[in-house]
Amino acid sequence: AQKVTQAQTEISVVEKEDVTLDCVYETRDTTYYLFWYKQPPSGELVFLIRRNSFDEQNEISGRYSWNFQKSTSSFNFTITASQVVDSAVYFCALSQDSNYQLIWGAGTKLIIKP
Amino acid sequence: DAGITQSPRHKVTETGTPVTLRCHQTENHRYMYWYRQDPGHGLRLIHYSYGVKDTDKGEVSDGYSVSRSKTEDFLLTLESATSSQTSVYFCAISESSLRRNQPQHFGDGTRLSIL
Repeated sequence: AQKVTQAQTEISVVEKEDVTLDCVYETRDTTYYLFWYKQPPSGELVFLIRRNSFDEQNEISGRYSWNFQKSTSSFNFTITASQVVDSAVYFCALSQDSNYQLIWGAGTKLIIKP
Repeated sequence: DAGITQSPRHKVTETGTPVTLRCHQTENHRYMYWYRQDPGHGLRLIHYSYGVKDTDKGEVSDGYSVSRSKTEDFLLTLESATSSQTSVYFCAISESSLRRNQPQHFGDGTRLSIL
């Protein structure tokens, strides 16, 4: 069975703190893809990153970084020096070669206080 | 931004009435999807389409039907709306590819309330 777990329902930090959002996935496929999306208070869903199962290199984009570890089935997302504009709900998602569906975690609400 | 337009953006209707939501894209993408978003559930797939007149069910398809007569339009219909279908509905598209690594891009959502 495939599943994505985001155990942190809500995280609140003060601006400029670093924060890590956890994502744990389950799949039987050897080829799969992991995604992170951001949903700001305005409601739209914004694609952040895609990673395939054969590429375990960590990714850095400005203040954002992603740590993919197959050994622990995790794809964690870190925001360095957080800003109020980072406040949003963040979703982790999984897709597999065996079907078209994108399996979503329940999301983590991130609150950045000034 | 991907050219995806959902209409209407907000709708309030009564139990038992039919409702149709429209998703229109200008990207000529092959794949289109309808999701619903409810608190605590993330997004759940209702139906998807992999081409004109080619559709399939998702995780929560009961009570919903879809149609795709043109590449650019994907309609979601609630034949007889129920209060449990109150939700925010998102349309998504992805490029013409059999690879599963293509990201989906989303419309702005439709907030539907069934009273």
